Amino acid sequence: GNSVTQMEGPVTLSEEAFLTINCTYTATGYPSLFWYVQYPGEGLQLLLKATKADDKGSNKGFEATYRKETTSFHLEKGSVQVSDSAVYFCALSDFGKLSFGAGTTVTVRA
Amino acid sequence: GAVVSQHPSRVICKSGTSVKIECRSLDFQATTMFWYRQFPKQSLMLMATSNEGSKATYEQGVEKDKFLINHASLTLSTLTVTSAHPEDSSFYICSASIQTSDYEQYFGPGTRLTVT
Repeated sequence: GNSVTQMEGPVTLSEEAFLTINCTYTATGYPSLFWYVQYPGEGLQLLLKATKADDKGSNKGFEATYRKETTSFHLEKGSVQVSDSAVYFCALSDFGKLSFGAGTTVTVRA
Repeated sequence: GAVVSQHPSRVICKSGTSVKIECRSLDFQATTMFWYRQFPKQSLMLMATSNEGSKATYEQGVEKDKFLINHASLTLSTLTVTSAHPEDSSFYICSASIQTSDYEQYFGPGTRLTVT
C-alpha cells in the first residue's frame, strides 16, 4: 500500500536559519506529492505540490523536488521566519486519496 | 478560490447525543468530499470518501453506523456522529476535491468536537 514517512519533530530553529524536512514515500503507482501546512488553530493549506518525477514545487520560499529514484520529496527553505512556525505534512495522492505523513512541528524563534 | 467551510468550528455535546458537522465548498462544485479525523499531535486519518448522490466509502475500522455521512449536493456534505462518547472527541476535518488531473483537495478549517 501507499505510505509516507517524514522526519519526526519537533524542530526548533532561529529566524533566518535553513530548514529541511525529509519525506520519503512508498507507492505502487506514480502519485502526486504534496506539502501541506497547518498554522496554529487553522486547517490545512496546500503549500506546494509536484505531479511527476523531477518536478519542483515552490511557494513562499519553500521548495521540494519530486525524486523518483530516491522516492523522496524533501521540503526546504533557505531562510525561515517566525511566521513559518506551523505543522508541516507531506502527503501523496493516489487517484485522489491522500496519505499523510505524521507531521513535523516547526517552531521558529526570533 | 477553492474555499471550503465547516460548521460548527467547535461543539461540545453530552455523551449519548448526536452531532452534525457540515462541510461546504463555497465557490466550486466538489465531485468528491473526504472526512478526516485528527488526534492531538498526530496526522490526519481518512475516515471516509463520499461522492455526491452515492453512499460513502468508509475506511477499514471506521463504523459507518456511528459516523453517518450524507453528500446531498455538489457543495454540501455532512458528518453525523451518532450516540457520541468521550472517545469520539477529536478534530474532524473535511476536504473537497475537483476531479482534475491531480485530484487536489481543499481543506476546511476543521471542527473541534468535545464529548462530555
